[in-house]
Amino acid sequence: DAGVIQSPRHEVTEMGQEVTLRCKPISGHDYLFWYRQTMMRGLELLIYFNNNVPIDDSGMPEDRFSAKMPNASFSTLKIQPSEPRDSAVYFCASGPGARGTEAFFGQGTRLTVV
Amino acid sequence: GNSVTQMEGPVTLSEEAFLTINCTYTATGYPSLFWYVQYPGEGLQLLLKATKADDKGSNKGFEATYRKETTSFHLEKGSVQVSDSAVYFCALPYGGATNKLIFGTGTLLAVQP
Repeated sequence: DAGVIQSPRHEVTEMGQEVTLRCKPISGHDYLFWYRQTMMRGLELLIYFNNNVPIDDSGMPEDRFSAKMPNASFSTLKIQPSEPRDSAVYFCASGPGARGTEAFFGQGTRLTVV
Repeated sequence: GNSVTQMEGPVTLSEEAFLTINCTYTATGYPSLFWYVQYPGEGLQLLLKATKADDKGSNKGFEATYRKETTSFHLEKGSVQVSDSAVYFCALPYGGATNKLIFGTGTLLAVQP
């Protein structure tokens, strides 16, 4: 398997624009997670899905953030409108869910909002 | 709820020095414990894990032992290399979904030749 695939790797956008980050999880994994990494706050869990259903979105910072998982092989994280403080690295991860197993991370999307 | 406290960095060592990065946790029950590593510009990857008390996880010369009595999972390596320079994260499940992880703050390791 190619692992968790995220796109784009880098995104630079202007404040106020809509940004969509994409993720393809590892086939067969029931769980998908979106994390955000910043120097100030470290790694924060934004939202996670189980079998394509959002389970906990309490980490989503504001209503400007939304995430979807229309099928088992694709998820998006959207920010509309984007703001400079959204600049961070966004990671997608997936996992099989069984006890003792680990989450597998993508390479991340580095978002810069100017 | 579950939580993890990790030694702050940065840690700067010379090549072939001994490494210890401390990690302690608070948890209900006996969750699996993980160390992840993040090389510059990359995502996190699993370095090692332990699934029950007294288990020792090991990989690439790194080791960590699941100590229930001290609620610790310290990372060690006997002889570090320049290529080990990275950020290291201790992690454990939040609870519920076992892959839903809570991470420590990360420890930056810089190894000098």
